[in-house]
Amino acid sequence: AQSVTQLGSHVSVSEGALVLLRCNYSSSVPPYLFWYVQYPNQGLQLLLKYTSAATLVKGINGFEAEFKKSETSFHLTKPSAHMSDAAEYFCAVSGDGNKLVFGAGTILRVKS
Amino acid sequence: EPEVTQTPSHQVTQMGQEVILRCVPISNHLYFYWYRQILGQKVEFLVSFYNNEISEKSEIFDDQFSVERPDGSNFTLKIRSTKLEDSAMYFCASSALTSSYEQYFGPGTRLTVT
Repeated sequence: AQSVTQLGSHVSVSEGALVLLRCNYSSSVPPYLFWYVQYPNQGLQLLLKYTSAATLVKGINGFEAEFKKSETSFHLTKPSAHMSDAAEYFCAVSGDGNKLVFGAGTILRVKS
Repeated sequence: EPEVTQTPSHQVTQMGQEVILRCVPISNHLYFYWYRQILGQKVEFLVSFYNNEISEKSEIFDDQFSVERPDGSNFTLKIRSTKLEDSAMYFCASSALTSSYEQYFGPGTRLTVT
């Protein structure tokens, strides 16, 4: 069985500051890991994915995430936050079949 | 860019009524999914569908729920007799045969049961 824990339901950063959103997973099989972003009143957009190739994964809008098996983590980072990054971010794991198991989400607020 | 579409965007229904939520997956995708998100809670998997049959379902997906691919483009979720606790955002997703783990989501249908 898979599970995901996202530390911090709300994260606030200043524009231009580093964004770090934390995700830890549990999986009984080698996982596929994903980050999705949800803007207000919109669906879930795939930001990036880890599928057992490179451990450092680059996604859209300047985001990247690093898979660390020893820490069972897949944290999302962006060097410099932009106002348009304000949204809710979901980490998800897949590995036993195709179903995605989501974390509770982290709302990112960017202050000017 | 191809995208998953869902209709309606918002559905209000009375308890006990049947609702059908509609989805048009990306055209060359062969795996289809429904998820739901109750307000303030996690996105939860409901069901996956491949080759005209359910491939996996969660314990949430009981006899009140059914899915169908009535034609070559639509994928529907039917709730036979809605309950108050069915109020949620319902997301449809699809994925391709060659990368079935990579799911693309629609904008969702907000279902409100009164």
